[in-house]
Amino acid sequence: DAGITQSPRHKVTETGTPVTLRCHQTENHRYMYWYRQDPGHGLRLIHYSYGVKDTDKGEVSDGYSVSRSKTEDFLLTLESATSSQTSVYFCATHSTSGRLDTGELFFGEGSRLTVL
Amino acid sequence: QQQVKQSPQSLIVQKGGIPIINCAYENTAFDYFPWYQQFPGKGPALLIAIRPDVSEKKEGRFTISFNKSAKQFSLHIMDSQPGDSATYFCAASPSGTYKYIFGTGTRLKVLA
Repeated sequence: DAGITQSPRHKVTETGTPVTLRCHQTENHRYMYWYRQDPGHGLRLIHYSYGVKDTDKGEVSDGYSVSRSKTEDFLLTLESATSSQTSVYFCATHSTSGRLDTGELFFGEGSRLTVL
Repeated sequence: QQQVKQSPQSLIVQKGGIPIINCAYENTAFDYFPWYQQFPGKGPALLIAIRPDVSEKKEGRFTISFNKSAKQFSLHIMDSQPGDSATYFCAASPSGTYKYIFGTGTRLKVLA
């Protein structure tokens, strides 16, 4: 258990409403990620962070924003949710340890979002 | 756009069989090639990973084979068991970043 907590775990919302998903980690890992998982598409990177206030876009960033004001928290915001954003969202963290880096991401349990 | 292409989409084998999952990438500058295993309702978890300067890595019943010239890497599961039934993802991280890109996943079912 890498100490990653996602909240909420399940959410149903309506089109056009704002939604924020929270990822909290207790491992002091530098890198944090948000992925979405959809059938036939696997895991697609939305945004990632390489430090406090340092973020970068992934391959499917349109319609999403992120913020990281503390090492342990990474927030994903859908400003105006659409049905195409119905998905399972996974937060992940990564610790770089120089030569010991094994390329391992630690994933949370996922947040299932349904946009009606 | 850098991509990692994974096949097959699904795979059914008998217990004791050797399922093989393949991935191909389109950019030569990757640092790591990990494989993840995901059970229903759970997040993916690292299974085994390889660096591009190694052609093969084995951990228990799981083996990664890496062919740098063909830009392909594959996962072999020896003596597969029903407990290995899960979705498997290959991934790659572009050099100089930790911006991991994943394949589309392979759903494996091992029959008892």
